[in-house]
Amino acid sequence: DADVTQTPRNRITKTGKRIMLECSQTKGHDRMYWYRQDPGLGLQLIYYSFDVKDINKGEISDGYSVSRQAQAKFSLSLESAIPNQTALYFCATRGTAGDTQYFGPGTRLTVL
Amino acid sequence: GDSVTQMEGPVTLSEEAFLTINCTYTATGYPSLFWYVQYPGEGLQLLLKATKADDKGSNKGFEATYRKETTSFHLEKGSVQVSDSAVYFCALSDFGSARQLTFGSGTQLTVLP
Repeated sequence: DADVTQTPRNRITKTGKRIMLECSQTKGHDRMYWYRQDPGLGLQLIYYSFDVKDINKGEISDGYSVSRQAQAKFSLSLESAIPNQTALYFCATRGTAGDTQYFGPGTRLTVL
Repeated sequence: GDSVTQMEGPVTLSEEAFLTINCTYTATGYPSLFWYVQYPGEGLQLLLKATKADDKGSNKGFEATYRKETTSFHLEKGSVQVSDSAVYFCALSDFGSARQLTFGSGTQLTVLP
C-alpha cells in the first residue's frame, strides 16, 4: 500500500463551489505539505504543517485553507473555487530529522 | 529568494543515448539538492540527492554532483532506456525549519526505442 494517499484522484467542479482534497500518510511523519503544479511549471507551496497545532502559509496560500485533523491527515480546501485553480495538487510528508519529502500520487482538479 | 533553473524540454533521445539535464540554483548558504522524477500519471519520486558540496548522488544509473563553484547539479545517465521517459525536476531545500522545496520547471524526457 502507498505511504501517502490522496483522495479524490480526479475532480471536476464548478466555479463558486467549495471543495476539499484529502491527504493521508502512514509514514509517521509530522511534517506535511500541499503543493500545486501547473503545466510547464514546477511545484509551488500552498501550505505546510509541522503538527496538528502548527499551520503555516506557503507562497500561494490565497484562496486556499487547510486543516490538520490528526498527525496522519492534512486536508486542503478551496472555499470558492475559480477556474485558475485548475491544476494538479500534491501532498507531501517529511520526517523531523530528514530533508527528503515524500509525495502522494496527486489530485487533478478542474474548475469549470 | 531561492530559485532553480533547469534545462527546458522536451528532450527526445534514442535508447542507449547519453543524457544530461542541466540544473543551476541560487540560494543563500548551502542547500540540499534533489532530483525528483514524475512518471506519467504518478506523483513525484525522489531519484537522488546531495547534501553538501562535491557530494555525488546516484540511483538507477543516474548521477548528479553538487558543484558549489558553479552552483549546479546536472543530472546524467550514460545509457537511457525507454522506461526512463518521465518528467525530471531539480529542487533545493532551504535551511529554514520548513525545509521548503523550491523546484525548477521540470524537463520532459522521451526515450525512443
